[in-house]
Amino acid sequence: DAKTTQPTSMDCAEGRAANLPCNHSTISGNEYVYWYRQIHSQGPQYIIHGLKNNETNEMASLIITEDRKSSTLILPHATLRDTAVYYCIVYSYGQNFVFGPGTRLSVLP
Amino acid sequence: DTGVSQDPRHKITKRGQNVTFRCDPISEHNRLYWYRQTLGQGPEFLTYFQNEAQLEKSRLLSDRFSAERPKGSFSTLEIQRTEQGDSAMYLCASSFLSGRENNEQFFGPGTRLTVL
Repeated sequence: DAKTTQPTSMDCAEGRAANLPCNHSTISGNEYVYWYRQIHSQGPQYIIHGLKNNETNEMASLIITEDRKSSTLILPHATLRDTAVYYCIVYSYGQNFVFGPGTRLSVLP
Repeated sequence: DTGVSQDPRHKITKRGQNVTFRCDPISEHNRLYWYRQTLGQGPEFLTYFQNEAQLEKSRLLSDRFSAERPKGSFSTLEIQRTEQGDSAMYLCASSFLSGRENNEQFFGPGTRLTVL
């Protein structure tokens, strides 16, 4: 079973920030938080990952709480092309990725 | 290199037939993964290879399923005596795992299997 809990769906207005939450209250000290997204009819696409510190790349920012029990993926200026299912995964070396059902983000014009 | 490719993209077969899917990973990626995804669910891990060695198989991978990666490059996934419950998207991913930290997996577009 997935070690993460995410809302089933979310809406976001185009141009606004999309904040996608993820709970991982049983995360261990050596486990990373990974985010992937899957646009309809495509394979999942890597977005970002982190361990303890907040991370930012050209796609998104990842905010991890100090106790590491939850995180938020931020898409700073959502576009219609960001409409997808977003998966939060807890991973450590030697494990396999376990995907939950994810959050279906709809970016609305 | 244009990423992970899979062939065919779609396959329709009759129950009881055998099917084989191919995955070409990103060159020089040492790990190759197979996943299965059904409608409304996230991908489920099936098996993975490090180079040519198959290191782990999920209990989802029944004895009707077999995967190979003969030269550590492309991989095939065969399903024998297909059942309607095998209908799903089969995804392949590859990664270059050089240490303990980063296991960014690059996914292919998938092969959609429909068993009639």
